[in-house]
Amino acid sequence: GQQVMQIPQYQHVQEGEDFTTYCNSSTTLSNIQWYKQRPGGHPVFLIQLVKSGEVKKQKRLTFQFGEAKKNSSLHITATQTTDVGTYFCAGSRYSTLTFGKGTMLLVSP
Amino acid sequence: ETGVTQTPRHLVMGMTNKKSLKCEQHLGHNAMYWYKQSAKKPLELMFVYSLEERVENNSVPSRFSPECPNSSHLFLHLHTLQPEDSALYLCASSLTGGPTSTDTQYFGPGTRLTVL
Repeated sequence: GQQVMQIPQYQHVQEGEDFTTYCNSSTTLSNIQWYKQRPGGHPVFLIQLVKSGEVKKQKRLTFQFGEAKKNSSLHITATQTTDVGTYFCAGSRYSTLTFGKGTMLLVSP
Repeated sequence: ETGVTQTPRHLVMGMTNKKSLKCEQHLGHNAMYWYKQSAKKPLELMFVYSLEERVENNSVPSRFSPECPNSSHLFLHLHTLQPEDSALYLCASSLTGGPTSTDTQYFGPGTRLTVL
């Protein structure tokens, strides 16, 4: 079955440092979505990427979809304490979304 | 956010109890989902309903029984659960659903279930 892997599982940064999480799929995806889950909260949709090589930005967040549509990344520039949480990617090809395990981000002030 | 609500927010039950989780969406969506989120595991899709018909069941044990009386409501009936079933149970909805849907999913706050 389709597998979606995320690395790293956990990252602890100082406020102001950059952060990147990577998502890799065992199969070519039709699209990929990113979600954020704050501690004690529920996943909240951030963005969807559909096109090969697509890059989208949301303020300090940059999302990329690989040319082969099998990998994606989320990069946060100059992290803030409000960025704390777990970031999930979710990919799909001819089936419902498959979520990665997520990357937990901790930001120290 | 009040688009998808879940009750109760916390539930403690014994292995012989019967309880139900409730989910309601106010977004006019046609698809609803149940997920299980355990520590250190990815979100596990349990059930998918599209227009009140179950379209996917990922080999979930029969002690979990879903019910979707209409497109706005979804229940998860629990019976003779095991301690390893303790987890956060998340409900989600999307505009459309089914095996090929990739619509954005809107999650409820979840029910934190503890089975003693």
